Amino acid sequence: QQQVKQSPQSLIVQKGGISIINCAYENTAFDYFPWYQQFPGKGPALLIAIRPDVSEKKEGRFTISFNKSAKQFSLHIMDSQPGDSATYFCAASIMAGKSTFGDGTTLTVKP
Amino acid sequence: EPEVTQTPSHQVTQMGQEVILRCVPISNHLYFYWYRQILGQKVEFLVSFYNNEISEKSEIFDDQFSVERPDGSNFTLKIRSTKLEDSAMYFCASSGGLGYTFGSGTRLTVV
Repeated sequence: QQQVKQSPQSLIVQKGGISIINCAYENTAFDYFPWYQQFPGKGPALLIAIRPDVSEKKEGRFTISFNKSAKQFSLHIMDSQPGDSATYFCAASIMAGKSTFGDGTTLTVKP
Repeated sequence: EPEVTQTPSHQVTQMGQEVILRCVPISNHLYFYWYRQILGQKVEFLVSFYNNEISEKSEIFDDQFSVERPDGSNFTLKIRSTKLEDSAMYFCASSGGLGYTFGSGTRLTVV
């Protein structure tokens, strides 16, 4: 019940395209859903996060869509750039408790 | 921007030896965590620490592991007798309540 399932495992997108990464969770007690971006040799960095009381949150080119009834949330990267090439992790937690991470998606944006 | 600092960046140790991984969390954060990431795999929760005690730990965090906040600023992870399977990136994270700031990690190699 603590799992977070993330797909796809890898994604190749052309520059300027839209990257979409999906996650599904099981535990309805989760109340905080962040996305992290990780570059090789670095720790994950918080990118954007959402609470379950809203269905969408946008920050610049990054948007989280949240579907509470389906227990799914997704990250959309608009106008994808080569500098967005990284591994993206979704996660879920109960407030400041431990985060359960998805398996990660390796995004490659081709110039 | 405040950072979480981890030292060393890379540690090579003989199997059976003790290692101490060090972290300096963000100064006004109250929640501290250790995660690990085996090469190319997901980020796994080890332990969370709040109010000078362990608040939650995973099944990975067995009797060989311990955490301390020895001087009110540093936060350490000790592995008493390392095994080959402990080889991984170890990330420290801190939080003010929601969302983590991760350090750049310590790459532990057990030979």
